[in-house]
Amino acid sequence: AQSVTQLDSHVSVSEGTPVLLRCNYSSSYSPSLFWYVQHPNKGLQLLLKYTSAATLVKGINGFEAEFKKSETSFHLTKPSAHMSDAAEYFCVVSESGQLTFGSGTQLTVLP
Amino acid sequence: GAVVSQHPSWVICKSGTSVKIECRSLDFQATTMFWYRQFPKQSLMLMATSNEGSKATYEQGVEKDKFLINHASLTLSTLTVTSAHPEDSSFYICSAITGLGEKLFFGSGTQLSVL
Repeated sequence: AQSVTQLDSHVSVSEGTPVLLRCNYSSSYSPSLFWYVQHPNKGLQLLLKYTSAATLVKGINGFEAEFKKSETSFHLTKPSAHMSDAAEYFCVVSESGQLTFGSGTQLTVLP
Repeated sequence: GAVVSQHPSWVICKSGTSVKIECRSLDFQATTMFWYRQFPKQSLMLMATSNEGSKATYEQGVEKDKFLINHASLTLSTLTVTSAHPEDSSFYICSAITGLGEKLFFGSGTQLSVL
C-alpha cells in the first residue's frame, strides 16, 4: 500500500525568501511522484514529476524537488518566493496506476 | 474532515457501452467539482470543471459529447463515458471544492478498462 504525508498543513514565508514544502511517502515499489498546485477555485496544475529518471527534478515557476529514496522524501523547494506562489500544494504518489494524494500544504507569501 | 466518495473504484466494460462514474461530497456542499484523467506514469489531465446547476466547462481537446458531466446537486457530479473504446481506458479522478473555495478534496479514483 502507498501513502503520502505532507508534514505541514500551512507554511508562511516572506516574499523573496526560500520555500520548503515537505512530503514523505511510502510505496512498495518504484513510484512516480508529482507535485501539483491549486490556486483558489481552480483545478490542479502540474508543477513537476519524478518518474525514475534524475532524482533532482526541475519544474515550472522555479520550483524543484529532490527524490531521496533513503529518506522516502520528495520535498518541494524554491529559492525565492513570489506573491503569486501563494496557493495550496499537493504531493501525489502513483504506483501501479493508483494515485494517492497528500492532504495539501497551504502556502502563504507575506509581503 | 471532508470526504469525497468516488464510485466505482474500478470497472471493466465492453467496447461500445457507456460507463457512469459518481463523485459525491459527503459532508460539505461542493459548488465546483473537477474531473481528471491520468494515463500510466503521466500527470493528471484536467478534463472539465463542473459547476452545480450549469453546464460543465471542458478543457480543449476533451470531447464533451463523449464525456458527459452532470452536476445536478451540490453533493453529486457524474461523469459518463459514452460508447467507450479501449483508448478510453484510464484512471479517472474527481475533486471537489468546499463552498468558499478554501479547500480541495479528492475522490479515490476509478480505473476504467475497456475491452
